[in-house]
Amino acid sequence: AQTVTQSQPEMSVQEAETVTLSCTYDTSESNYYLFWYKQPPSRQMILVIRQEAYKQQNATENRFSVNFQKAAKSFSLKISDSQLGDTAMYFCAFKEGGKLIFGQGTELSVKP
Amino acid sequence: EAGVTQFPSHSVIEKGQTVTLRCDPISGHDNLYWYRRVMGKEIKFLLHFVKESKQDESGMPNNRFLAERTGGTYSTLKVQPAELEDSGVYFCASSEGQGAYEQYFGPGTRLTVT
Repeated sequence: AQTVTQSQPEMSVQEAETVTLSCTYDTSESNYYLFWYKQPPSRQMILVIRQEAYKQQNATENRFSVNFQKAAKSFSLKISDSQLGDTAMYFCAFKEGGKLIFGQGTELSVKP
Repeated sequence: EAGVTQFPSHSVIEKGQTVTLRCDPISGHDNLYWYRRVMGKEIKFLLHFVKESKQDESGMPNNRFLAERTGGTYSTLKVQPAELEDSGVYFCASSEGQGAYEQYFGPGTRLTVT
């Protein structure tokens, strides 16, 4: 069965600095999809970035980028120029068929 | 365009009672998912509808949980009778398709069973 592991329950970063959230996963599939979702306090979960496993190029969305290492089954999220609004719970997820398999989450606090 | 909505936002019931959660997906989204997050743990998949059919219900914990999506529009998730371990946040999500398609999440229903 596929599993997703986020080994950092909590992290903090100073405003304007860069932070990297870790995620590893386990699968025997060769083609799959990986996602990072964020859930700000008391707000809905939204998609941050997605990566298709067959694409070698790392996905980038503005200040958010991933470091996708397929052989190592690693999918970390880098947030550059952190902003106060980035404070949220971040979930890494693997898509199996239609359903998402989530990691335990990393609570990120951006400090002024 | 309206997002995914869920009702109620919070429900407190006693053990043994029945609760029904509702999810309205984004209009036109055939795929509807239910997930649950128990306190401090990861978000876990419960089931997946494609239109009105259950595509995958492998995550449903037991037969006290019943999900329906009559007419392929909104969905309900009934818990009967509720147990203490059912407490958590129940999320609904919808998407146009599978694979790389984004799942749009609702705000969740926080269920507390006392």
